[in-house]
Amino acid sequence: ELKVEQNPLFLSMQEGKNYTIYCNYSTTSDRLYWYRQDPGKSLESLFVLLSNGAVKQEGRLMASLDTKARLSTLHITAAVHDLSATYFCAVADRGSTLGRLYFGRGTQLTVWP
Amino acid sequence: NAGVTQTPKFQVLKTGQSMTLQCAQDMNHEYMSWYRQDPGMGLRLIHYSVGAGITDQGEVPNGYNVSRSTTEDFPLRLLSAAPSQTSVYFCASSYSVTGSTEAFFGQGTRLTVV
Repeated sequence: ELKVEQNPLFLSMQEGKNYTIYCNYSTTSDRLYWYRQDPGKSLESLFVLLSNGAVKQEGRLMASLDTKARLSTLHITAAVHDLSATYFCAVADRGSTLGRLYFGRGTQLTVWP
Repeated sequence: NAGVTQTPKFQVLKTGQSMTLQCAQDMNHEYMSWYRQDPGMGLRLIHYSVGAGITDQGEVPNGYNVSRSTTEDFPLRLLSAAPSQTSVYFCASSYSVTGSTEAFFGQGTRLTVV
C-alpha cells in the first residue's frame, strides 16, 4: 500500500519568511496533488503535478515533483497571514484504479506578523 | 455549477443507529470516493466507485456500505453507528483528462456518534 509522509506536520512562520513543505511517498507514482484546507472547510485544489520535473506556481506558492526521488515540495515565498491553513499532498498509485488517492497527514501552517 | 454536494452538513447519532450520508455530483464524473478525516490523520479512503454499478473498498471500509446506481449519486451507509465513526466525512469526484484525476471535494459531513 502506498504511504505518504509529509513534514513538518506543524509549521509556524513569520510573515515575509520562506519555507518548504516536503511530501515523500513510498511507491512509484507520476500524479501528485496539493490541497489547502481552511478550518472547518473542504479541500481546495492548489496544484496538479503529472510528470517528473513538473513545477507549478501560483502566487507565493510553488510546487515541484521529482518522481525518481518520490518527493514533492511546496515552497512558500514571503509568507503572508492569508496562507495560514492546513496543506495536504495526495498521491495516486500508478497501479491503482484512477481516482484513488493516498493523503499525507497534512501540514498545519500558521503565519504570524 | 453545484459541483459535489453532501447532505447533511452535521449529524448526531446514537450508538447502533443507522443512517445514510448523501453525495451527488453534477459534473458527469465517473469516479467517486468517500473519505473520513480524523484529527492529525489526513484523509483515509473508505470506499470508491469507478462508475455506476461498480464499487470497491478503500483503506477503512468496515462498518460502511456504498452503492452506485447512477453516475451522479454515491451514498454512504453506516450500518450500526459506533463512537469510533465520529469523524468528518468527505465525498469526492474525479475526472480523467489526460490522466490528471484531480479530485473535487464536497463540503463535508460532520458526524458525531454518542
